[in-house]
Amino acid sequence: QSVLTQPPSASGTPGQRVTISCSGSSSNIGSNTVNWYQQLPGTAPKLLIYSNNQRPSGVPDRFSGSKSGTSASLAISGLQSEDEADYYCAAWDDSLNAVVFGGGTKLTVL
Amino acid sequence: QVQLVQSGAEVKKPGASVKVSCKASGYTFTGYYMHWVRQAPGQGLEWMGWINPNSGGTNYAQKFQGRVTMTRDTSISTAYMELSRLRSDDTAVYYCARDSPYSTYTLDPWGQGTLVTVSS
Repeated sequence: QSVLTQPPSASGTPGQRVTISCSGSSSNIGSNTVNWYQQLPGTAPKLLIYSNNQRPSGVPDRFSGSKSGTSASLAISGLQSEDEADYYCAAWDDSLNAVVFGGGTKLTVL
Repeated sequence: QVQLVQSGAEVKKPGASVKVSCKASGYTFTGYYMHWVRQAPGQGLEWMGWINPNSGGTNYAQKFQGRVTMTRDTSISTAYMELSRLRSDDTAVYYCARDSPYSTYTLDPWGQGTLVTVSS
């Protein structure tokens, strides 16, 4: 059981906009920033969004993040086939003194 | 460029220990915490802890306390994660990941992963 809650799956067609939610609590998302990681099949995770809504260099602006209260979301616009991957949210948890992850969302491009 | 290169796959018997290495290059090794994260087959990501390569200080996830030891050798810019008393459910890919200059507790980049298989 993950500390952060994500839907197990999401899907969309090419060109569509999809969003992935991430729900936490006051000790993690409510008091710390949220990061998102993309894991393509058979590869290591890669940082996609940091500090709620910042993109590392090289990440397309089709990817955006937001946070409100104890929830966060990742939006992907202009969906492409290469976006098919697992997506994880993460945050520091002040009570657990640990990095906590969501269970991951498998994105399928139909 | 910043790179983390991990040691190769391991097969261990239940009750044994495993030590995974993570060699860093392209940045000042002692300047950033190093995290360890594992992923069981078909499962999500699980944070194990971090080590401060400068001081050697550590912070382990409660689940692994007493079984995990994170160390480093600054002379060769390498971090290590040793897990003892292995069980079958410790079978997983183990990743090292640097704490990013973007933000604390942001993991970037990640190593390629090391598969540890625990089987009798």
